[in-house]
Amino acid sequence: NAGVTQTPKFRVLKTGQSMTLLCAQDMNHEYMYWYRQDPGMGLRLIHYSVGEGTTAKGEVPDGYNVSRLKKQNFLLGLESAAPSQTSVYFCASSLTGNSGNTIYFGEGSWLTVV
Amino acid sequence: TQLLEQSPQFLSIQEGENLTVYCNSSSVFSSLQWYRQEPGEGPVLLVTVVTGGEVKKLKRLTFQFGDARKDSSLHITAAQPGDTGLYLCAGKTSYDKVIFGPGTSLSVIP
Repeated sequence: NAGVTQTPKFRVLKTGQSMTLLCAQDMNHEYMYWYRQDPGMGLRLIHYSVGEGTTAKGEVPDGYNVSRLKKQNFLLGLESAAPSQTSVYFCASSLTGNSGNTIYFGEGSWLTVV
Repeated sequence: TQLLEQSPQFLSIQEGENLTVYCNSSSVFSSLQWYRQEPGEGPVLLVTVVTGGEVKKLKRLTFQFGDARKDSSLHITAAQPGDTGLYLCAGKTSYDKVIFGPGTSLSVIP
């Protein structure tokens, strides 16, 4: 069972470079999310999507863009990476946004911006 | 801004001991979930509580949702090394967003 898969798992970027994190889910989920996790701050929502072709801002959207062209994929882009974006990024999905729905997480992508 | 706080931030105990970790907010949540995260992996759902005062048990883990749906606790009986991990609580807001707490890092020493 693949679940939620993220690529790449590790990446080092120079300040100012751009990159895209790829997320795919095979559970036919409507909702998808991108979180970042930093020590002592838990998981913070960057952007999310409630369905194909829709995206919305989360708690910390600045410096990131997303796209959901296909239901199973949710892409997170960094146009001009900054050291403050060094973090662990988690993609997640859920069937819907209803209370009680399980959020399934990927294994994380470790990004370092130097 | 809705905020979830967790305490303690770090906890190191001996195998066989009992422990309780807490998740608190000044806001009301429609539901609250507990996740466990192991190093190098994503969080995995343990339980969802929806009703104020609700208690759920999962083997040696007991979860309680506060009567006012603003807080929750996780009690582990006779902790084992396999319980080691980061425990995260997550509250569902009225705007359909899920807010995560900073987590409690638990280490169970054999």
